[in-house]
Amino acid sequence: SQTIHQWPATLVQPVGSPLSLECTVEGTSNPNLYWYRQAAGRGLQLLFYSVGIGQISSEVPQNLSASRPQDRQFILSSKKLLLSDSGFYLCAWTKGPIGNQPQHFGDGTRLSIL
Amino acid sequence: AQRVTQPEKLLSVFKGAPVELKCNYSYSGSPELFWYVQYSRQRLQLLLRHISRESIKGFTADLNKGETSFHLKKPFAQEEDSAMYYCALNGANSKLTFGKGITLSVRP
Repeated sequence: SQTIHQWPATLVQPVGSPLSLECTVEGTSNPNLYWYRQAAGRGLQLLFYSVGIGQISSEVPQNLSASRPQDRQFILSSKKLLLSDSGFYLCAWTKGPIGNQPQHFGDGTRLSIL
Repeated sequence: AQRVTQPEKLLSVFKGAPVELKCNYSYSGSPELFWYVQYSRQRLQLLLRHISRESIKGFTADLNKGETSFHLKKPFAQEEDSAMYYCALNGANSKLTFGKGITLSVRP
C-alpha cells in the first residue's frame, strides 16, 4: 500500500535561518506531489506542485522554494526564513498523471519562526 | 482561473439536525469536485467525490452545473461528524484548488 511520510512534525527556527522540510512517498511511482500551507481562516493554499523529477510549478510568489530530486521525494526549502513563513505545511500526492484522483495527505509540519 | 468558494466558516447544529455545507465553484472546463474532511488529530482525507455518486458516512453531494455548486448534505448529523470540511476542484494539470474550509460542530 502507498504511504506518505513528512518530517519533521514540528520545527522552531529563528528568523533568517534556512529551512528544509522533506516529504517522501512509498508504494507508488511517478506521483504528482504537492506542498500546501494550511492557515486558519485561509484554508489550504497550494504553494508548489510537481508532475515529475525536476519539474516544479510555483503557485504564489513567496520566500520558499521546492525541489524534487527523486521520483518520490519532495523538498520545501528556504534560504532565509521570515516571520510570515510560520504556519502548518502539508505535503500530498496523487496518482499521476491521471486526473480526477484523490489527494493523499501527510501529517503536516508545524513551523514556528521566532 | 479556477476558484472554490465556501461562504461560511462555521456551522453549529444539534445532533439529529440536517446539515448542508455550501460549496460553489468557478471553472471553465468540466469540473471534478471533491469533499475532504479533517477530524481532530487526524490527517486531511478524502470524504467523497462527485464522479463516484456515493454516500459516505451518510453524506452526499450533488454536482449542480447550472448553479455551479457542490453542496455537502447529511439528513441527520452525528457528533462524530464534527470536523473541518474542505471543498476542492480538480482543474488543469491535476491541480486541486481548495476552498477556505468550514468547521462543522455537532452538539449533543
